[in-house]
Amino acid sequence: DAGITQSPRHKVTETGTPVTLRCHQTENHRYMYWYRQDPGHGLRLIHYSYGVKDTDKGEVSDGYSVSRSKTEDFLLTLESATSSQTSVYFCAISESGGGLGQPQHFGDGTRLSIL
Amino acid sequence: AQSVTQLDSQVPVFEEAPVELRCNYSSSVSVYLFWYVQYPNQGLQLLLKYLSGSTLVESINGFEAEFNKSQTSFHLRKPSVHISDTAEYFCAVKETGANNLFFGTGTRLTVIP
Repeated sequence: DAGITQSPRHKVTETGTPVTLRCHQTENHRYMYWYRQDPGHGLRLIHYSYGVKDTDKGEVSDGYSVSRSKTEDFLLTLESATSSQTSVYFCAISESGGGLGQPQHFGDGTRLSIL
Repeated sequence: AQSVTQLDSQVPVFEEAPVELRCNYSSSVSVYLFWYVQYPNQGLQLLLKYLSGSTLVESINGFEAEFNKSQTSFHLRKPSVHISDTAEYFCAVKETGANNLFFGTGTRLTVIP
């Protein structure tokens, strides 16, 4: 299994509070991704990173920010959480971007509930 | 715009029967195709992938998928399912040169004893 650790695994918080999710990898892969998984929508890309301090938006980036200060860590922040951000969040990593067709490998997810 | 359609949200099938999970995509450029499996409370695991070459690809646990360019499909098949195959299956597409991976909405396969 790819060395990906997501923390926390579960979190319950209140509307309006800031939340930060962490993804840590031990594979030294260049690309890291954050997805959210919701019933009826599959997985949707929030943000991704293609190197330290290099990030870009995905399909559903509104209300989220990311940071990558080290190769191994990719943080996802909800500045002011809303109930619509209740979801399961997955981190993924890959050696390269789209050019070589390298697959993405996923962490076990963080279940986030916003009340 | 790129999209992925998994036509069946749920597929019940009896143990040892064959199964086909359908996946169609739309894209104007060449693509890479993937199937992922998700067991309860776990992340997604790569099942198989098509990058180029032979249009029929196989996994180590008996699944296979065939890339059909003219029908823009990548259906997943298994000739005889086991109880342990019960899971959710996601089809995913990446355009060559792009970083984004687009997922279908998933098919929940339930194997009935």
